[in-house]
Amino acid sequence: QSALTQPASVSGSPGQSITISCTGTSSDIGRYKYVSWYQQHPGKAPKLMIYDVSSRPSGVSNRFSGSKSGNTVSLIISGLQAEDEADYYCTSFTGSSPAYVFGTGTKVTVL
Amino acid sequence: QVQLVQSGAELKKPGTSVNLSCKLSGNTFMSYYVHWMRQAPGQGLEWLGCIFPSGDYSVYAQRFQGRVTVTRDTSATTVSMELSSLRSDDTAVYYCATEDMTATKYFNYWGQGTLVTVSS
Repeated sequence: QSALTQPASVSGSPGQSITISCTGTSSDIGRYKYVSWYQQHPGKAPKLMIYDVSSRPSGVSNRFSGSKSGNTVSLIISGLQAEDEADYYCTSFTGSSPAYVFGTGTKVTVL
Repeated sequence: QVQLVQSGAELKKPGTSVNLSCKLSGNTFMSYYVHWMRQAPGQGLEWLGCIFPSGDYSVYAQRFQGRVTVTRDTSATTVSMELSSLRSDDTAVYYCATEDMTATKYFNYWGQGTLVTVSS
């Protein structure tokens, strides 16, 4: 299993919307709904932002949303804020080994 | 709410082993799968393996099979991860994280991470 493919960086101005893509294969993203997104600020542990492609945990802003099309999932951040500047990782359950594969990570910069 | 507190940083020589711990708070100890991930400097996350809520079964990524062992001590509410035959490319921050016992397939709570440095 190879890492899922994400753009290295995405940027936007405050208030804008940005989209982070995450591309896998028919063996992971394409097969399962079990895709989640994590936000990681420098020196901190990852934080769950989205699970099951598009569900938000309690306490996560509704500015974060997710979608899926084929072997690609997307994280959309609307109304971009300075605090959203961080690294973002997608992950998918694979049903094989390794059981979970992560994306390459995307650095979000708020201009 | 679950809190995970990991053991402190380690400096190890190549060829040796490291044993990391992850202590879970509260009386929900038996309600979670506990997973281990790692993140090499400036790199992305990688899944190593997990232990089931019952503590009697573990699953590992194939590329770490034979080098990684995850165990849990119910009396101490602690999960441990041992990685053996350390190499310089095992240098990373190691995280433990929980998955609800209903097998939700996402990681809802994370430890603060433990830096493992492998150097001669």
